Amino acid sequence: EIVLTQSPGTLSLSPGERATLSCRASQSVSSSYLAWYQQKPGQAPRLLIYGASSRATGIPDRFSGSGSGTDFTLTISRLEPEDFAVYYCQQYGSSPAFGQGTKVEIK
Amino acid sequence: QVQLQESGPGLVKPSGTLSLTCAVSGGSISSSNWWSWVRQPPGKGLEWIGEIYHSGSTNYNPSLKSRVTISVDKSKNQFSLKLSSVTAADTAVYYCARAHYDSSGYYYSSWGQGTLVTVSS
Repeated sequence: EIVLTQSPGTLSLSPGERATLSCRASQSVSSSYLAWYQQKPGQAPRLLIYGASSRATGIPDRFSGSGSGTDFTLTISRLEPEDFAVYYCQQYGSSPAFGQGTKVEIK
Repeated sequence: QVQLQESGPGLVKPSGTLSLTCAVSGGSISSSNWWSWVRQPPGKGLEWIGEIYHSGSTNYNPSLKSRVTISVDKSKNQFSLKLSSVTAADTAVYYCARAHYDSSGYYYSSWGQGTLVTVSS
């Protein structure tokens, strides 16, 4: 079973700043099978990135994903007010699994 | 655009069986997707429960496998979840989702709005 560990748990930033979120896997994950989601309170998760670096339809280009093997990163180049939310990474190895989430909060 | 909608009781008694249905609209459940259930306990993260293909093939989370059954009804374009022997630990928002799975990756491209199920007497 592949375990995903996200860091930091909480990221306190101001609008306009750059956010860098980490997702580390307990064993190597195919880049094709690493995705990122955004979740706001009371809402379902929304797909942001799939295949480690491909933006989903309608996702602004300030969101970007990178990484390979066991280390993956979601970067938000300049935080907009609507970007403050919880972010999850997800992998598909032997079975799907999510990281525990990173909360991006307003500083 | 595919839309998913969960339905079912919001309250289940301990030791009972949780039953939910996900209605798929705007697309066919016989398309090349896996249809999944994901849950989220209050204030916590996401947990994959299991998935089904329109052929009836299923995959389950090993930690829940003994209690989970997922089925598909192609005539109604919907799929269902049954979770038996529930306890308070099964209290969560339950989401149904469409899993896209091919060479481009495995990811959840569409989600239902979620439904809160509380286990309590």
